Amino acid sequence: GAVVSQHPSRVICKSGTSVKIECRSLDFQATTMFWYRQFPKQSLMLMATSNEGSKATYEQGVEKDKFLINHASLTLSTLTVTSAHPEDSSFYICSARDWGLADYNEQFFGPGTRLTVL
Amino acid sequence: TQLLEQSPQFLSIQEGENLTVYCNSSSVFSSLQWYRQEPGEGPVLLVTVVTGGEVKKLKRLTFQFGDARKDSSLHITAAQPGDTGLYLCAGAYGNKLVFGAGTILRVKS
Repeated sequence: GAVVSQHPSRVICKSGTSVKIECRSLDFQATTMFWYRQFPKQSLMLMATSNEGSKATYEQGVEKDKFLINHASLTLSTLTVTSAHPEDSSFYICSARDWGLADYNEQFFGPGTRLTVL
Repeated sequence: TQLLEQSPQFLSIQEGENLTVYCNSSSVFSSLQWYRQEPGEGPVLLVTVVTGGEVKKLKRLTFQFGDARKDSSLHITAAQPGDTGLYLCAGAYGNKLVFGAGTILRVKS
């Protein structure tokens, strides 16, 4: 149980284009999903928290118009990197949590998406 | 801002050796999780500790939560090459997880 998938696993795009990353909870309903960014050999940096049916809450320093998050259903959240630039290249990871399934703030992570902007 | 200091940052040891990773904070956490992550993959939850002073064992891994719920440790006995990876501690604070900087462990055979 508690499986989270991400799609795509890797994406390469040209500078100026937009990229959409999907995060799905496969066997549970995720009332809350989180989006993280991770640089090589570093820890996870929380970008935003999204609750189903409401606007995402962004961490300080994260541009909400740059990183659009939609959590339209209890099993799907999307992150769209708009007008991507090379500095947006990173490993993006989502996580999901369901209060009914996981206790104590446990989050279940997707496998990540490697974004490379040329 | 809640900070979770994790040490050491890097650890390279021989197979069979023991090691301990520490996470310390000035903040009290309602719970603390330990994750292991391999390159190109997402973190995988190893354990959650909740009660101050709690000790949990997972085969050769022993996790401890400090009495005041501000610190935690991960001890690996007789490390194996398969233990190689990035170990992350994460403290639950409100709705979020606060992550430590991570410990890159390399176990050489």
